[in-house]
Amino acid sequence: DGGITQSPKYLFRKEGQNVTLSCEQNLNHDAMYWYRQDPGQGLRLIYYSQIVNDFQKGDIAEGYSVSREKKESFPLTVTSAQKNPTAFYLCASSIGTGQGNEKLFFGSGTQLSVL
Amino acid sequence: EDQVTQSPEALRLQEGESSSLNCSYTVSGLRGLFWYRQDPGKGPEFLFTLYSAGEEKEKERLKATLTKKESFLHITAPKPEDSATYLCAVQGGSARQLTFGSGTQLTVLP
Repeated sequence: DGGITQSPKYLFRKEGQNVTLSCEQNLNHDAMYWYRQDPGQGLRLIYYSQIVNDFQKGDIAEGYSVSREKKESFPLTVTSAQKNPTAFYLCASSIGTGQGNEKLFFGSGTQLSVL
Repeated sequence: EDQVTQSPEALRLQEGESSSLNCSYTVSGLRGLFWYRQDPGKGPEFLFTLYSAGEEKEKERLKATLTKKESFLHITAPKPEDSATYLCAVQGGSARQLTFGSGTQLTVLP
C-alpha cells in the first residue's frame, strides 16, 4: 500500500543533542512537508520541498534543518539550537503541481520529548 | 496574513445528536478550504476540499459547506467512531502553503 512512513514513533532528546526524524513516501509525490503540532495549536509549517535538492523555510524553521536528496525521503534534523523541541512532528506529501490547493497526505507522526 | 479560527474547541455529543463545527477564516483570495480528521497520536486524514462559496460536499454522516467567511462541518446522527479532532485549513491566493486552525475535539458518547 502507498503511504508515508515516519520513524521513530517516539524520540527522546538530551540537552545539546541533535536528533533526526525520518520520513519516507512511496506515493511518487513531488512535494513534501514537515509540520509541528503543539497541544491546542494548529499545525505550523517548518520546511517544505517541492522538488529534489530544493527546499524552503516555513514559518518556524529556526533550529531545524532538512535535506531532500531523494524524491522519496525528507528527513528533519532538530538541532540543539531549538530550545523548545517537545512536540508532535508530522511529515506530509502532495502531488506537487505548484498550483497549491492540493490535499496533503500525512504520516503517523513522531512524538519528540526532551530528557 | 491568512487566519483560521475553529469553534468550539471541544464538543461532546450523545450518539445520534446532530451538530455543527465552525471554521471562520480570513484570506486574500481563497484557493481552497480543507477539512481533516485526526485521531489521537496519528496524522490527519483528508476529508474534503471546498473551493467557492455555496459549495457543499458529503461523506457518510459528514457534510461540509462554505460561505465567503466560514465553513461548517455538519455531523448528522454521529456515532462514537466519529470521535476525533477535526482540523480546518485554508490556502489564500498570496500564500504558498496552508494555514491550519487549532481544531475542534469531538467526543461522541454511546
